[in-house]
Amino acid sequence: DTAVSQTPKYLVTQMGNDKSIKCEQNLGHDTMYWYKQDSKKFLKIMFSYNNKELIINETVPNRFSPKSPDKAHLNLHINSLELGDSAVYFCASSQFTGASYNEQFFGPGTRLTVL
Amino acid sequence: AQSVTQLDSQVPVFEEAPVELRCNYSSSVSVYLFWYVQYPNQGLQLLLKYLSGSTLVKGINGFEAEFNKSQTSFHLRKPSVHISDTAEYFCAVSFISSGSARQLTFGSGTQLTVLP
Repeated sequence: DTAVSQTPKYLVTQMGNDKSIKCEQNLGHDTMYWYKQDSKKFLKIMFSYNNKELIINETVPNRFSPKSPDKAHLNLHINSLELGDSAVYFCASSQFTGASYNEQFFGPGTRLTVL
Repeated sequence: AQSVTQLDSQVPVFEEAPVELRCNYSSSVSVYLFWYVQYPNQGLQLLLKYLSGSTLVKGINGFEAEFNKSQTSFHLRKPSVHISDTAEYFCAVSFISSGSARQLTFGSGTQLTVLP
């Protein structure tokens, strides 16, 4: 069973379009994340949700809007796509338990190419 | 300022040779430390982590790392690498403040290439 899954795996689209990436985790975790990995492999956190509540919202254009319908899902919607949005987007999840840190489990990534 | 630095962007090494991938961090608060591996076209997988206790941490696939608080380092080592270890390796740090340790800050990654 896949722990963290993302769809689609590849996404090719034109500038100006709107697209969504879906993420689901079956680990029972309460926290989910979106990361962007650029062409130089640099990973940067974009958003994090804990129990459907937004807890991390880094400096990201407001064209990016995360949505968490329940604890097991965190989707990423991107409006008016730009060339610079081309990247690999990773979803991750973890269980936050007080002051302890628990491992983040990553999905396989979605490679977005904007033409 | 809190930051994570991986000094080597690429490390080529021959098969069965030892390897060390370097990671340094800057922080005024306590930290948790992690190494992740990313195989080509795949997501990230945890290799090992340091939360507390012994400063020498053993992980999967024969990797180990040592936390050195005075040097603010967490270098990753393997005594004998295999071709299958070719991958991108990321050091990540969780800076603990106000009891919150959810966020991970990643280094820029080190591409390990094992040559036959």
